[in-house]
Amino acid sequence: EIVMTQSPATLSVSPGERGTLSCRASQSVSRNLAWYQQKSGQAPRLLIYGASTRATGIPARFSGSGSGTEFTLTISSLQSEDFAVYYCQQYNNWPPAFGQGTKVEIK
Amino acid sequence: EVQLVESGGGLVQPGGSLRLSCAVSGFTFSSYEMNWVRQAPGKGLEWVSYISSSGSTIYYADSVKGRFTISRDNAKNSLYLQMNSLRAEDTAVYYCARGVTIFGGLGWFDPWGQGTLVTVSS
Repeated sequence: EIVMTQSPATLSVSPGERGTLSCRASQSVSRNLAWYQQKSGQAPRLLIYGASTRATGIPARFSGSGSGTEFTLTISSLQSEDFAVYYCQQYNNWPPAFGQGTKVEIK
Repeated sequence: EVQLVESGGGLVQPGGSLRLSCAVSGFTFSSYEMNWVRQAPGKGLEWVSYISSSGSTIYYADSVKGRFTISRDNAKNSLYLQMNSLRAEDTAVYYCARGVTIFGGLGWFDPWGQGTLVTVSS
């Protein structure tokens, strides 16, 4: 099974600043990687699929990059509504697997 | 508007059973693969089970294999998860999620329902 590892566990960022989240796979997942945002008490929401394609309605300040085993989610200028937990998920091999999440909090 | 609404959660004793439902609207249910994903309190996301659009292909996480059964009724636009022999570690919010499949049933999940809480405790 592929293990997904996210870092850091918590990212403290001031509004308007850039936030960079990392996700590493234990083996190559090509570009078969998605990112989700989960706000407190809500269901996860798809942000990115195919490592870099934004889902419908996702603002351009969210961007994804990477391939193989190393991936990055960048939030170019954090807005108040972006403070949440972010998960990566690989869909290259069964079973699909999520990272443990990165909490983005207000600095 | 695409909607997925879970129901059936609640408090159950260890060893007990529960059946979750997910009512779907706003898209052609019979054309999509579906999944259950769970989240233990304060923890991350764990994929639980997958079912193909026709119901002919099913996968389970090792943690629930032999205890949980996924099914669907395309005529009723509904997805189900029968959970037997429940354990304390099955305590979680259970989400149904539409699968956007790229190959072999694998893909991303979009959208998700609001979830239903299952608590296994004596």
